[in-house]
Amino acid sequence: DADVTQTPRNRITKTGKRIMLECSQTKGHDRMYWYRQDPGLGLRLIYYSFDVKDINKGEISDGYSVSRQAQAKFSLSLESAIPNQTALYFCATSDRRETGELFFGEGSRLTVL
Amino acid sequence: RKEVEQDPGPFNVPEGATVAFNCTYSNSASQSFFWYRQDCRKEPKLLMSVYSSGNEDGRFTAQLNRASQYISLLIRDSKLSDSATYLCVVKRGADGLTFGKGTHLIIQP
Repeated sequence: DADVTQTPRNRITKTGKRIMLECSQTKGHDRMYWYRQDPGLGLRLIYYSFDVKDINKGEISDGYSVSRQAQAKFSLSLESAIPNQTALYFCATSDRRETGELFFGEGSRLTVL
Repeated sequence: RKEVEQDPGPFNVPEGATVAFNCTYSNSASQSFFWYRQDCRKEPKLLMSVYSSGNEDGRFTAQLNRASQYISLLIRDSKLSDSATYLCVVKRGADGLTFGKGTHLIIQP
């Protein structure tokens, strides 16, 4: 089983719908992240959390919200999805040592029509 | 100037050849540097950290030039399985990692 699990892996939805992407991890890491990846734009940080009570905006947080329900769970919500939020979304974790190693989930491909 | 810049490629290289690509970063306060590898439709994975003195891991060699603010990755005796996108990554303190857009490498038989 994967150490970082994302659900759903693929989702097609319509403009205006609320969408939640979930991430759970078994690595015991405190730090969790949500990134989106678009062709030609690379990986961009949406939100990150260094522990359950700590939530921080990343580079492109507008239109997104997150919830850190437990150390192992970090969910990303799109309150009202729009087509330019069509992307590949990655959850990642890291430990406190700041080694620079992120452990990514397999990604959630979201299409907003 | 973008924070982390890479030539997107693709680099088409015959099997067995040596290939090198560079990455430049704009913030001189950047502290740590890494190369990640991403296979098609897969998640990125850490390939290697980049140290000031340069470091080697098998066929892969990474170099850092702080004065010129660039990082390089050299792959010797390239294999078909080296085909992937290579992401240059920079870290500034607690701000998290900044990823370059990646360099696409295709090893041809």
